[in-house]
Amino acid sequence: DAGVTQSPTHLIKTRGQHVTLRCSPISGHKSVSWYQQVLGQGPQFIFQYYEKEERGRGNFPDRFSARQFPNYSSELNVNALLLGDSALYLCASTPLGGYSNQPQHFGDGTRLSIL
Amino acid sequence: AQSVTQLDSHVSVSEGTPVLLRCNYSSSYSPSLFWYVQHPNKGLQLLLKYTSAATLVKGINGFEAEFKKSETSFHLTKPSAHMSDAAEYFCVVSDLGGNQFYFGTGTSLTVIP
Repeated sequence: DAGVTQSPTHLIKTRGQHVTLRCSPISGHKSVSWYQQVLGQGPQFIFQYYEKEERGRGNFPDRFSARQFPNYSSELNVNALLLGDSALYLCASTPLGGYSNQPQHFGDGTRLSIL
Repeated sequence: AQSVTQLDSHVSVSEGTPVLLRCNYSSSYSPSLFWYVQHPNKGLQLLLKYTSAATLVKGINGFEAEFKKSETSFHLTKPSAHMSDAAEYFCVVSDLGGNQFYFGTGTSLTVIP
């Protein structure tokens, strides 16, 4: 079975542009979470979606938004890109939302570089 | 609030010797704890999870972790390090609703041949 897939794998943008990152969860998983991992640090939670509804939001500005589609895939959008947005963006999926003992299954991430 | 503290940013061991990666947690309830490994330019792979069933948890690739409530610790161990274990390791606690994972800052493991 395919794992969590993310696209693109690498992306280069300039300051002020916007970007859309995509994620397909493991088949049967209904919850998707997004994380930002800056070089040398642990991942930081951005959003969680379950059944197309936002279930959690981390401490990120409104420039960051996301949505989940009926097939449970998800997009993360970032507007007005800043140099500090350069990071590895990770997507994770779980079968359900709201159960703390479920491990999250991660994709390989999208490496976003801002010039 | 939930949080984890990884006590060592870097650990270096010789191949074939034991590995100990330390993690302390803070949680206002009985936590769910996880260890993940990240190889360079890759996503995160689950090593093991603790969800209050057994305090000694066995994971993949010979890793295990022991939950000690009295010490608020969840240290990761392996009896004998292999070169392929060289990677970044993250200790993680989830919130009560399971909607958010809180990651530690990571421990970089180097294995010396």
